[in-house]
Amino acid sequence: DQQVKQNSPSLSVQEGRISILNCDYTNSMFDYFLWYKKYPAEGPTFLISISSIKDKNEDGRFTVFLNKSAKHLSLHIVPSQPGDSAVYFCAATYEGGTSYGKLTFGQGTILTVHP
Amino acid sequence: KAGVTQTPRYLIKTRGQQVTLSCSPISGHRSVSWYQQTPGQGLQFLFEYFSETQRNKGNFPGRFSGRQFSNSRSEMNVSTLELGDSALYLCASRDVQRVETQYFGPGTRLLVL
Repeated sequence: DQQVKQNSPSLSVQEGRISILNCDYTNSMFDYFLWYKKYPAEGPTFLISISSIKDKNEDGRFTVFLNKSAKHLSLHIVPSQPGDSAVYFCAATYEGGTSYGKLTFGQGTILTVHP
Repeated sequence: KAGVTQTPRYLIKTRGQQVTLSCSPISGHRSVSWYQQTPGQGLQFLFEYFSETQRNKGNFPGRFSGRQFSNSRSEMNVSTLELGDSALYLCASRDVQRVETQYFGPGTRLLVL
């Protein structure tokens, strides 16, 4: 049961343009959502998060949007840079019960930013 | 603050052996979670420790175990290694007051031959 899904395995954009990475979830108990950037054989690097009481959170070039009714979130990177090329994972969690300390990850999207 | 550290970074073992991996969390973080990453299964949660107690466990066999010490450092152990245990093992720590963040270490790459 894939509770967090990233349906686009890959995304290719030109330097300077916007990158939009999408993520869908099915578990309505999730109330925190996180985005990570990852290079092969390294640990994920935390980028930005959002709680379910918000619909938008910004940090520099990164903005995350949350649509609770659609159970959908997206990460916008503006402007995209070649150094942004990596695998991006979305993750979800809630506090309590069977979710203490547990992030549920999507399958990842490979972002390639061309110069 | 120093980040999450994991040792060793690389490990080669043979089937049937056991292995212990170590994780030192960010100073002040008392929650430590472990994950396994494989090409086929992606990032899967193993377990979480807080105040030396396992609070949560993922869907892995009993060969996978862990513990946490009073200084919040954590170890995970895999006994009777199988070829399928070859993976990147990741440790993450967080401040329990902040559910919305979890910081990962560089991982331990385990190869089982």
